[in-house]
Amino acid sequence: QVQLVQSGAEVKKPGASVMISCKASGYTFTNHYLHWVRQAPGQGLEWMGIINPSDTGAMYAQNFQGRVTMTRDTSSNTVYMEMSSLRSDDTAVYYCARELPQAGKAFDYWGQGTLLTVSS
Amino acid sequence: QSALTQPASVSGSPGQSITISCTGTSGDVGRYNFVSWYQQHPGKAPELMIYDVSNRPSGVSNRFSGSKSGNTASLTISGLQAEDEADYYCNSYTGSSTPYVFGTGTRVSVL
Repeated sequence: QVQLVQSGAEVKKPGASVMISCKASGYTFTNHYLHWVRQAPGQGLEWMGIINPSDTGAMYAQNFQGRVTMTRDTSSNTVYMEMSSLRSDDTAVYYCARELPQAGKAFDYWGQGTLLTVSS
Repeated sequence: QSALTQPASVSGSPGQSITISCTGTSGDVGRYNFVSWYQQHPGKAPELMIYDVSNRPSGVSNRFSGSKSGNTASLTISGLQAEDEADYYCNSYTGSSTPYVFGTGTRVSVL
């Protein structure tokens, strides 16, 4: 069965960087784009970016350009989301989500979420 | 890219039908038939309920249906059940430099 398993909770200081991983299983890794979505405490969902695991092409929301990098490792079927210059308002749960097949533009499987806390 | 507009809350009694609206612009909801809907229970990851405006993934109850008119998409839940109490988010493809945008979210309460 399709699974996206994310790395564990992180606590970082303002100005630091963080890398969150998302390991995919149960399907052909290179056949589906993967997205990152975050949710601040008590707030709504915010789309962050997308990576194409087959060629590493990535696109980021304007709010995150220059501060977020998405990469992948096909040997371990894992995508990574690195965010730098962390601020307190980056405190949120970060999700990876698989896109429907054939660029379906919806997210059919989600990781369990990774809580990032940014605090001095 | 601004968030799509949803009502903050909608409520209904068991067995009733409710509809959640999702208003965007002619550049997102109005232009593309790539509207999806997600259900999120507290402390859980979102779950896909509707994609491409009105398609249900396998395993999703046929009590959930989607539609679109102009710049507004809608999610209807018929035969409301206690388990439907959750937050619901719409999402649309925009084709812009930020190609996806979520709605503000709607809390559904079953009275």
